[in-house]
Amino acid sequence: AAGVIQSPRHLIKEKRETATLKCYPIPRHDTVYWYQQGPGQDPQFLISFYEKMQSDKGSIPDRFSAQQFSDYHSELNMSSLELGDSALYFCASSPWDGELFFGEGSRLTVL
Amino acid sequence: QQPVQSPQAVILREGEDAVINCSSSKALYSVHWYRQKHGEAPVFLMILLKGGEQKGHEKISASFNEKKQQSSLYLTASQLSYSGTYFCGTGIRSQGNLIFGKGTKLSVKP
Repeated sequence: AAGVIQSPRHLIKEKRETATLKCYPIPRHDTVYWYQQGPGQDPQFLISFYEKMQSDKGSIPDRFSAQQFSDYHSELNMSSLELGDSALYFCASSPWDGELFFGEGSRLTVL
Repeated sequence: QQPVQSPQAVILREGEDAVINCSSSKALYSVHWYRQKHGEAPVFLMILLKGGEQKGHEKISASFNEKKQQSSLYLTASQLSYSGTYFCGTGIRSQGNLIFGKGTKLSVKP
């Protein structure tokens, strides 16, 4: 069965650079979520989209933005990267009132 | 508001049982349970919705007390593969985002 696809799996950037993460949800799932997870931490909700419209916003810095495109894939754009942005970024998708299916995550390292 | 999980950590011998609790100060629409192994994505275990609907894996059971905004995950006859960090995620409305608790680290020893 198709799963949530995230790319890239690993990303190394310098401070103040920009990074873009991509997420391809499971077909026919109408909601996409982005979570940030630091080492040993719980996943922190960043933002979600329902049917390509932003539905919820969590602790997402102003330096970050996200969108969902007509083909339902989503991108998380991060600018002016800081050391503290180093984390595992998960994308998840879900059907209506269903469980979240997580991608394998994109590990961002900011040097 | 972040749900509170307890205990923070638990160590079991194979075959023993454990209960992990999750409580929220907000009226909940849903409670989800996930298990995460180090460096991997969280994996779905159970979803409990307001009104009593539940869905999850056969070997996992959980309860949801809507009046108290509390949920418990019951792990019975634990196996080595049960080791990992268990997160509850709470939602306050239909198809809303989940806020995860800080997790409960479960270690199952032979």
